[in-house]
Amino acid sequence: GQSLEQPSEVTAVEGAIVQINCTYQTSGFYGLSWYQQHDGGAPTFLSYNALDGLEETGRFSSFLSRSDSYGYLLLQELQMKDSASYFCAVRSMDSSYKLIFGSGTRLLVRP
Amino acid sequence: NAGVMQNPRHLVRRRGQEARLRCSPMKGHSHVYWYRQLPEEGLKFMVYLQKENIIDESGMPKERFSAEFPKEGPSILRIQQVVRGDSAAYFCASSPRTGGSDEQYFGPGTRLTVT
Repeated sequence: GQSLEQPSEVTAVEGAIVQINCTYQTSGFYGLSWYQQHDGGAPTFLSYNALDGLEETGRFSSFLSRSDSYGYLLLQELQMKDSASYFCAVRSMDSSYKLIFGSGTRLLVRP
Repeated sequence: NAGVMQNPRHLVRRRGQEARLRCSPMKGHSHVYWYRQLPEEGLKFMVYLQKENIIDESGMPKERFSAEFPKEGPSILRIQQVVRGDSAAYFCASSPRTGGSDEQYFGPGTRLTVT
């Protein structure tokens, strides 16, 4: 089976940097993705790591270490609009390539 | 280029009724996924379809749930004889092709409430 663990909630102040961790147990996967979801909204793709290392996309960066079964999403220069839930997800290696999601981390950005 | 479209956005059904949820993938996408999200939880895979074929339905409940993706028209997720436990947000995602690195694009979801 496959499972992904994330902290349930993180709080940070506007302008700060926050890291959301994701640890996983899986027999194999194609890559680690991160999605943002505002209340009542759809998941929006943020970042994808196919290989170990750091991927940077503007204020967001994502990291993967397959040897440590660990990844994280780093958000810099936090803004109030970043308050949302963040999900890590792996893409399965079977023929469907379905996404398997973590339970999500709710980020609250305070002024 | 319009994104993934789902309708209705909100659906209220009484116990025992049927619910039909529709998903139109992005233009040029022939791979459709359905996910279910319970409150305060992550999304759970239900079914993966290509045109006229169900490829993987390992996440679908064995009874009352069915899905199709006809040659013409949207993909349909059908829930018969709904129960309160079916209340959830149902998201559809589409992808241009099958591949380990291909992104899935999500629709706005249908929020089903069973009273």
